[in-house]
Amino acid sequence: AQSVSQHNHHVILSEAASLELGCNYSYGGTVNLFWYVQYPGQHLQLLLKYFSGDPLVKGIKGFEAEFIKSKFSFNLRKPSVQWSDTAEYFCAVTPSGGYNKLIFGAGTRLAVHP
Amino acid sequence: NAGVTQTPKFQVLKTGQSMTLQCAQDMNHNSMYWYRQDPGMGLRLIYYSASEGTTDKGEVPNGYNVSRLNKREFSLRLESAAPSQTSVYFCASSNFRQGMVEAFFGQGTRLTVV
Repeated sequence: AQSVSQHNHHVILSEAASLELGCNYSYGGTVNLFWYVQYPGQHLQLLLKYFSGDPLVKGIKGFEAEFIKSKFSFNLRKPSVQWSDTAEYFCAVTPSGGYNKLIFGAGTRLAVHP
Repeated sequence: NAGVTQTPKFQVLKTGQSMTLQCAQDMNHNSMYWYRQDPGMGLRLIYYSASEGTTDKGEVPNGYNVSRLNKREFSLRLESAAPSQTSVYFCASSNFRQGMVEAFFGQGTRLTVV
C-alpha cells in the first residue's frame, strides 16, 4: 500500500530561521505530490503541488518544494519563516496514472516564535 | 462561492447513537472524500466517491457508511458511534483526473463520542 512519511512531528523555530520539512513516499509508479497547510482552527489549504516538469516547485507565501525521484522525496522549504507560518503541514500523494485516492502523511506541527 | 460545506460543525454523541454528517460542494466536482483527522496520524481516508453513483472504501472504513446522494452531496453515517470515532472529520472534493487538480476541503466537523 502507498504511504507517506513525514519525519518531523514537531518543529520549533525562531522568526527568520530557515525551514525544511521532510516527506518521503512509498509508491513505485509516477505520482503527483502536494503540500497542504492547516492554520489553527482552519481547514486544509493547498500550498503547492507537483505533477510533472521542473522538480523545484514554488508555492504560495514563499514556500517551495523539491521532488527528488531517486529518493522518493518531496521536501518543503522556506528560507525565512514568519510567526504567521505557525501551522500544521501535510504532505500528500496520489498515483498519477491510476485513480485519485489522496494519501496524507501524519503532519508536522510548526511553531514559530517571534 | 461556498466551496465545500459541512454540517454540523460540532457534535457530541453518546456511545451507540447514530448520526449523519452532511457534505455539499458547489464546484461541480466529480470526486468527493471523507477523511478523519487524529493527533499524530494526519488525515486518513474513510471513504471516497470517484463519481456520482460510486463509492469505495479508504484506509479506515470500519464503522462508517456513505451515500453519494447526487453530484453535489456526499454523506457519512455512523450507525452506532463508539468513543474511538471521536475525531475531526473533513469532507473534500476534487476533479482529479490523472491527479491534475487539488482537493478542496470543508471546515470540518468535530465529533465527540462519550
